[in-house]
Amino acid sequence: GENVEQHPSTLSVQEGDSAVIKCTYSDSASNYFPWYKQELGKGPQLIIDIRSNVGEKKDQRIAVTLNKTAKHFSLHITETQPEDSAVYFCAPYTGGGNKLTFGTGTQLKVEL
Amino acid sequence: NAGVTQTPKFQVLKTGQSMTLQCAQDMNHEYMSWYRQDPGMGLRLIHYSVGAGITDQGEVPNGYNVSRSTTEDFPLRLLSAAPSQTSVYFCASSTFTDTEAFFGQGTRLTVV
Repeated sequence: GENVEQHPSTLSVQEGDSAVIKCTYSDSASNYFPWYKQELGKGPQLIIDIRSNVGEKKDQRIAVTLNKTAKHFSLHITETQPEDSAVYFCAPYTGGGNKLTFGTGTQLKVEL
Repeated sequence: NAGVTQTPKFQVLKTGQSMTLQCAQDMNHEYMSWYRQDPGMGLRLIHYSVGAGITDQGEVPNGYNVSRSTTEDFPLRLLSAAPSQTSVYFCASSTFTDTEAFFGQGTRLTVV
């Protein structure tokens, strides 16, 4: 099955700084790479995703980059705000397994 | 449009009791799934369904049963609750297996 590692497990930044979270996966057949944000007491919510034929995707302050050769993809958040404080999960998808495999999560704290 | 609705939100069971966690979606999604979330372990797939009448096992299926008689509903049954099943359970649905997954608010289950 897919092995997914996510780093760091916790990340503390000052408001306005950038944050980067990295996700490494093992299955070279993975072809869909989403990032989910989970706020306290809620279910995860998709914030950005990328497919294997694209190297980078940006949506306002959030971007995802993909390196298929090295089998990792990263979440970039610029100009961080207190409302960005949450747990972030990567969840690479492999068609053969017919499922998303979630990383262990990164607790992001944006300090004033 | 309610999205994905899970009931109950909280539940306490005694060891050996059985119960059903309900999940309903109103987005006409074919794919539905159940995850459990434990501290430091991300979300792990229990069972999933790619359409009415079709279910399959995920990563941690033991002790759980599912059925999918309609597109809208995907209940999760705990056959004989054990303390190891204390967790937060999330139901999710999506159009396809590799598209945005919409999660419910979760059910916090405690088995004593």
